[in-house]
Amino acid sequence: QVQLVQSGAEVKKPGASVKVSCKASGYTFTSYGISWVRQAPGQGLEWMGWISAYNGNTNYAQKLQGRVTMTTDTSTSTAYMELRSLRSDDTAVYYCARPDGGSSSSPLFDYWGQGTLVTVSS
Amino acid sequence: QSALTQPASVSGSPGQSITISCTGTSSDVGSYNLVSWYQQHPGKAPKLMIYEGSKRPSGVSNRFSGSKSGNTASLTISGLQAEDEADYYCCSYAGSSAVFGGGTKLTVL
Repeated sequence: QVQLVQSGAEVKKPGASVKVSCKASGYTFTSYGISWVRQAPGQGLEWMGWISAYNGNTNYAQKLQGRVTMTTDTSTSTAYMELRSLRSDDTAVYYCARPDGGSSSSPLFDYWGQGTLVTVSS
Repeated sequence: QSALTQPASVSGSPGQSITISCTGTSSDVGSYNLVSWYQQHPGKAPKLMIYEGSKRPSGVSNRFSGSKSGNTASLTISGLQAEDEADYYCCSYAGSSAVFGGGTKLTVL
């Protein structure tokens, strides 16, 4: 069965960086991309971007351009999302999700990770 | 890209039907039949309920249905059950990005 298992919770200071991992299993990793979605406490979902696990192509949300980097390691079927220059409003649960539909902007996420809470606080 | 507009809350009694709207623009909802709907219970990851406007994934109850008219997509839940109480989010293809709605809290009275 398809599973996406994310790394554990993180606490970071403002200005620091965080790197969240997402290990995939149960399917051919390079046949799909990985998207990242975050949710601030008590707030809605926000699409952060996408990476192709096939060739590493990326598509980032405009508001995060320059601060976010998404990568994959095909040898371990793991995707990573690094966010730099953290601010208090980056405090959120970060989800990885498997998009279906063939587009980097596909809104169809059929499998989700369990979420990783990133807290940014001085 | 601005978030899609959803009502903050809706409610209904068991057995009734409710509809949640999701209003976008001609750059997203209006131009593509690529709207998904997600159900999220507290502390859990979202779950795909509807994709491509009106299709249900395997295992999702046929009490859930989706439709679209112009720039507005809708999710209808018929025969409300207690376990349907959750937050619901729409999400649309928007060309170079995907965009979510602000979410709707469904309360089953």
